[in-house]
Amino acid sequence: GENVEQHPSTLSVQEGDSAVIKCTYSDSASNYFPWYKQELGKRPQLIIDIRSNVGEKKDQRIAVTLNKTAKHFSLHITETQPEDSAVYFCAASNGGNQFYFGTGTSLTVIP
Amino acid sequence: EPEVTQTPSHQVTQMGQEVILRCVPISNHLYFYWYRQILGQKVEFLVSFYNNEISEKSEIFDDQFSVERPDGSNFTLKIRSTKLEDSAMYFCASRASYNYGYTFGSGTRLTVV
Repeated sequence: GENVEQHPSTLSVQEGDSAVIKCTYSDSASNYFPWYKQELGKRPQLIIDIRSNVGEKKDQRIAVTLNKTAKHFSLHITETQPEDSAVYFCAASNGGNQFYFGTGTSLTVIP
Repeated sequence: EPEVTQTPSHQVTQMGQEVILRCVPISNHLYFYWYRQILGQKVEFLVSFYNNEISEKSEIFDDQFSVERPDGSNFTLKIRSTKLEDSAMYFCASRASYNYGYTFGSGTRLTVV
């Protein structure tokens, strides 16, 4: 089955700096890659996603890039704010039923 | 914005007891899921449900677990004879179609004592 690796496990940045979280996947059939943000004690919320026919997608301060050849995708958050502090999970899907999640990155934005 | 609703938010149960976790998916969604998250770990797939039957289940989803859609709105996860290691946050999720992100519910924190 699919195996998704996520790095780093923890990340601290100063407010206003950028944060980058990287994920790799193993199944070349994976074609959909969502990113979820989970604040403490709350539900994971979809923040951005990308499909395999696209190399990059941007939504305001958040962007995701995908390199299908290398089987990795990354989340980029620019101009970080304290409210960006949360755990971020990447996931991969091959169009089947389940999403395969990474182990999460705990992002702390220091004011 | 439509939400997936889960009840209860927190359930404490004695080891060996049965629990039922309830979910109300978004009304026009067709695919339903249960995931669990042990504290500090990744979100793990349990089961998917479509057209009134299980479409896929993970190794975790053994005979101890069952799911049901008893009516047009509720989607339940039953855990029989709970064990200490069943303690986790259980998330229900739904989506309208494949290749779209899930909408997760707010979760039920299950504590088995």
